[in-house]
Amino acid sequence: DAGVIQSPRHEVTEMGQEVTLRCKPISGHDYLFWYRQTMMRGLELLIYFNNNVPIDDSGMPEDRFSAKMPNASFSTLKIQPSEPRDSAVYFCASSLGLAGALAGYEQYFGPGTRLTVT
Amino acid sequence: AQSVTQPDIHITVSEGASLELRCNYSYGATPYLFWYVQSPGQGLQLLLKYFSGDTLVQGIKGFEAEFKRSQSSFNLRKPSVHWSDAAEYFCAVGAGTLNSGYSTLTFGKGTMLLVSP
Repeated sequence: DAGVIQSPRHEVTEMGQEVTLRCKPISGHDYLFWYRQTMMRGLELLIYFNNNVPIDDSGMPEDRFSAKMPNASFSTLKIQPSEPRDSAVYFCASSLGLAGALAGYEQYFGPGTRLTVT
Repeated sequence: AQSVTQPDIHITVSEGASLELRCNYSYGATPYLFWYVQSPGQGLQLLLKYFSGDTLVQGIKGFEAEFKRSQSSFNLRKPSVHWSDAAEYFCAVGAGTLNSGYSTLTFGKGTMLLVSP
């Protein structure tokens, strides 16, 4: 398997523009996570899905952030409008949650998207 | 809610020397514990995990970690560090039960390991 795929790897945009980050989870995984990593706050869970359904979005910082998972192989994280404080590395991770007592829970991370908002 | 503390932001170790990275967690029940490693520009890779059973767990790349309930710790160790081990290391705690089927992870702030020649 190719692992978790994220695109783009780098995104530079101007304040006020819409940004869309994309993620393809590992085939067969039923959980998908979006994280944000910054120097100040570390790695924060933004939202996660189970079987394409959002389960917990309490980590989404503001209404400017939205995430969708239209099917098992694709998810997007959108920021509209973007602000300089959104600059961070955004990670997508996937997991097989119910594969058995010890087989689940490990989250596989993508390489991340480095977002810079100027 | 669970939390993780990694008290060391940076650690420098000479190549060939032993390594111990500290991790303390806070969680009311038996935790699931993980160590991940992140190389520059890369995503996080799982080194090892503890769910139950033997409190000393072995991972990839020669790493091991010991779960100590009395100290709420899960320290990562390696007997001899290689230059390629230079990276950032994250401890994480999972909440939930095996019966409930899933656990979300809370990560520590990370420890950056520098390896000197």
